[in-house]
Amino acid sequence: KQEVTQIPAALSVPEGENLVLNCSFTDSAIYNLQWFRQDPGKGLTSLLLIQSSQREQTSGRLNASLDKSSGRSTLYIAASQPGDSATYLCAVSGDSSYKLIFGSGTRLLVRP
Amino acid sequence: SAVISQKPSRDICQRGTSLTIQCQVDSQVTMMFWYRQQPGQSLTLIATANQGSEATYESGFVIDKFPISRPNLTFSTLTVSNMSPEDSSIYLCSVEPAGAYEQYFGPGTRLTVT
Repeated sequence: KQEVTQIPAALSVPEGENLVLNCSFTDSAIYNLQWFRQDPGKGLTSLLLIQSSQREQTSGRLNASLDKSSGRSTLYIAASQPGDSATYLCAVSGDSSYKLIFGSGTRLLVRP
Repeated sequence: SAVISQKPSRDICQRGTSLTIQCQVDSQVTMMFWYRQQPGQSLTLIATANQGSEATYESGFVIDKFPISRPNLTFSTLTVSNMSPEDSSIYLCSVEPAGAYEQYFGPGTRLTVT
């Protein structure tokens, strides 16, 4: 049974810092991995998708990497801003692309 | 990508009643999903709703409690039946457009059962 873990559960940093969020999964037979952002009381915004054959994806100040063999992904946020404050969720899908297994999230606070 | 809307955005309901949540997509999609996010928890898949077939429910979720309709390729409903306070959650629908390999989520429906 696939399990997804995110560390740390919460993170508080001053504005401008670079930071790394971690995601690990127990079954390396994944189809893809997706990083989401969730603002309080809101739905999910897709940030980055990494397919199983890829090693990393970049979008603006965000960079996500994937190491299937070790069951790990990282989300790197450069030059953090207060607007980056949110909960970040990673989710993996198995051999069929539709069922997402979510981690419990990292709650990020970027202090002005 | 896809733009998804949900109605209602939030509701407060009495124990024992039912609520139907609507999910509307701006394009035709085959695969649509319903998730639950309990307070302080992450998301759990309730069921997959493909147009033209019965919904497929995940372990721990049953059709009598969470009946789903999928009348066409842009719309679905989830009903939360005979509600109890334990059903208080955010309910989200998502879609995976053909060839996209990623899921897009609606804004969610925040349900409180008193």
